[in-house]
Amino acid sequence: EPEVTQTPSHQVTQMGQEVILRCVPISNHLYFYWYRQILGQKVEFLVSFYNNEISEKSEIFDDQFSVERPDGSNFTLKIRSTKLEDSAMYFCASSDPGQGAFEQYFGPGTRLTVT
Amino acid sequence: LAKTTQPISMDSYEGQEVNITCSHNNIATNDYITWYQQFPSQGPRFIIQGYKTKVTNEVASLFIPADRKSSTLSLPRVSLSDTAVYYCLVGGRNTGGFKTIFGAGTRLFVKA
Repeated sequence: EPEVTQTPSHQVTQMGQEVILRCVPISNHLYFYWYRQILGQKVEFLVSFYNNEISEKSEIFDDQFSVERPDGSNFTLKIRSTKLEDSAMYFCASSDPGQGAFEQYFGPGTRLTVT
Repeated sequence: LAKTTQPISMDSYEGQEVNITCSHNNIATNDYITWYQQFPSQGPRFIIQGYKTKVTNEVASLFIPADRKSSTLSLPRVSLSDTAVYYCLVGGRNTGGFKTIFGAGTRLFVKA
């Protein structure tokens, strides 16, 4: 069964450093998403991406965040200058236009720890 | 996006049927109802989606009354491994879903 993959599984970085989280969505999916989940809290929408541009973004997704689809398979989330409060699980998801944007398939997540 | 209301937590025992109800009084005509399951330290997993009446798959059933202002996720004969958080989401299938807002969900505890 096709699945969304994410790398790395765990990233430790120092405050102020840049990090890039990588995702490989399911190959025939066209909608891509990033979410984060701070430990013990709910899943928070960050951004959705379709047709090589951002479709929607939340208030959390400020200028320190950016997304990119550098090639036909990867989808990345960059955090330019990490803060302590960026420590969280980051989930990538994708969906198939035929099934609808709400039927999303999530990756296993990257745990980001900012020290 | 329609606001949803679910119980914060529920307890059950192995082998029982569990029904989790979600209220969505402001559901729009073109909105679908989608349920996800999340285990600790894992991403949410799509369970089921429906528009009206009843939908069933190998994992669960989704009951939607005629007015669509609520929906009930039914898990038959739960096991310990069904302990998870269950989220109800409501939105347009190809529009509102671009900004997918998860609520607090319902924490289901299945006991032996």
